[in-house]
Amino acid sequence: NAGVMQNPRHLVRRRGQEARLRCSPMKGHSHVYWYRQLPEEGLKFMVYLQKENIIDESGMPKERFSAEFPKEGPSILRIQQVVRGDSAAYFCASSPRQERTEAFFGQGTRLTVV
Amino acid sequence: EDQVTQSPEALRLQEGESSSLNCSYTVSGLRGLFWYRQDPGKGPEFLFTLYSAGEEKEKERLKATLTKKESFLHITAPKPEDSATYLCAVAPLGGGYNKLIFGAGTRLAVHP
Repeated sequence: NAGVMQNPRHLVRRRGQEARLRCSPMKGHSHVYWYRQLPEEGLKFMVYLQKENIIDESGMPKERFSAEFPKEGPSILRIQQVVRGDSAAYFCASSPRQERTEAFFGQGTRLTVV
Repeated sequence: EDQVTQSPEALRLQEGESSSLNCSYTVSGLRGLFWYRQDPGKGPEFLFTLYSAGEEKEKERLKATLTKKESFLHITAPKPEDSATYLCAVAPLGGGYNKLIFGAGTRLAVHP
């Protein structure tokens, strides 16, 4: 049973470009969470999605960031017009259901904005 | 405001030297407390979930305990392969279960 798959593992973008981060949850998992880990800081919640629905996006910056989890295919975290402050590790986690279960994390995508 | 504080920030142990990591939390209501291990360049690896004060869980050399205000991760006779950053997180009531608030972590180094 493959774990949570994130790609790419490393992504370099110039300021102003778009970044697309992909997350395929574990088989049978329909709940996806995105977290961001800035250098020397802890993991911060960004968004919680179920298939085709955004449930909680309270941790997402109001501009340039969006997320989706379509009926088919991976969850996508999209960052438009990246700036240097977006450089971070972005982690995706998935769980089979919402209540009383741990979330399994992927290996992360390390975004570097130059 | 919901908050998680871990101490110490860093801990250096000799192989076999037992110790404890602390996680203090402030939350309006606790749905669950999680411990994860994170190796450099990797994602967090799940260790334990604790749901109520007095609960304890064990896995190999690790034992996690929970009170109403804090959790401890006890490491007994650690080995060099236990070196990692240990993360504590809480899931507050009212949020989605895995909307976790993380502490900054404790970096553990175990030397032979």
